[in-house]
Amino acid sequence: DAGVIQSPRHEVTEMGQEVTLRCKPISGHDYLFWYRQTMMRGLELLIYFNNNVPIDDSGMPEDRFSAKMPNASFSTLKIQPSEPRDSAVYFCASSTRDRGRLFTFGSGTRLTVV
Amino acid sequence: AQSVTQLGSHVSVSEGALVLLRCNYSSSVPPYLFWYVQYPNQGLQLLLKYTTGATLVKGINGFEAEFKKSETSFHLTKPSAHMSDAAEYFCAVSDPPEYGNKLVFGAGTILRVKS
Repeated sequence: DAGVIQSPRHEVTEMGQEVTLRCKPISGHDYLFWYRQTMMRGLELLIYFNNNVPIDDSGMPEDRFSAKMPNASFSTLKIQPSEPRDSAVYFCASSTRDRGRLFTFGSGTRLTVV
Repeated sequence: AQSVTQLGSHVSVSEGALVLLRCNYSSSVPPYLFWYVQYPNQGLQLLLKYTTGATLVKGINGFEAEFKKSETSFHLTKPSAHMSDAAEYFCAVSDPPEYGNKLVFGAGTILRVKS
């Protein structure tokens, strides 16, 4: 298994531009999570999906952020318009519901908004 | 709601010394507990996890952790630190599947290993 795949690994964009981060979860995992990591706030859960349906988006900072999961093998996190304070590393993770649950993280996308 | 407190944002030990990283959790139901390690500019790697059963859990790289319900703790230990253990360590808590599936992290502890 290739693990959780995120793209791009690095993204530099100008303030005001739209940014789209992508994630491919592990096949068979029915939960998908988006986290943001910053020095100031640590690892924050932004949103998570179960069977492609958003379950909890209470961590999404504001309306500029949106996430979708059109199918079991793909999810996007979009920021529009982007701001410098959105600069962070964004991680995607997937897991199963079984009792041996294992959350597997992608390598992350380092976003820099200038 | 679950929460995790990691005591000490930075811990420094000498090579060969005991490593002890502290984690206390809050959860209204029996928790699932995890330790992850993050090396600079890398993602999160699972060290070990506790779900049910034996309360002493062994993980990779010689680390282990003990779930103590009475103390609401899940401290991470390693008998002898190695230079390669220098990294940031995160404790995390999740509810069992029937109660949801959020994984909530502590603030992290940076481990420094001195030669």
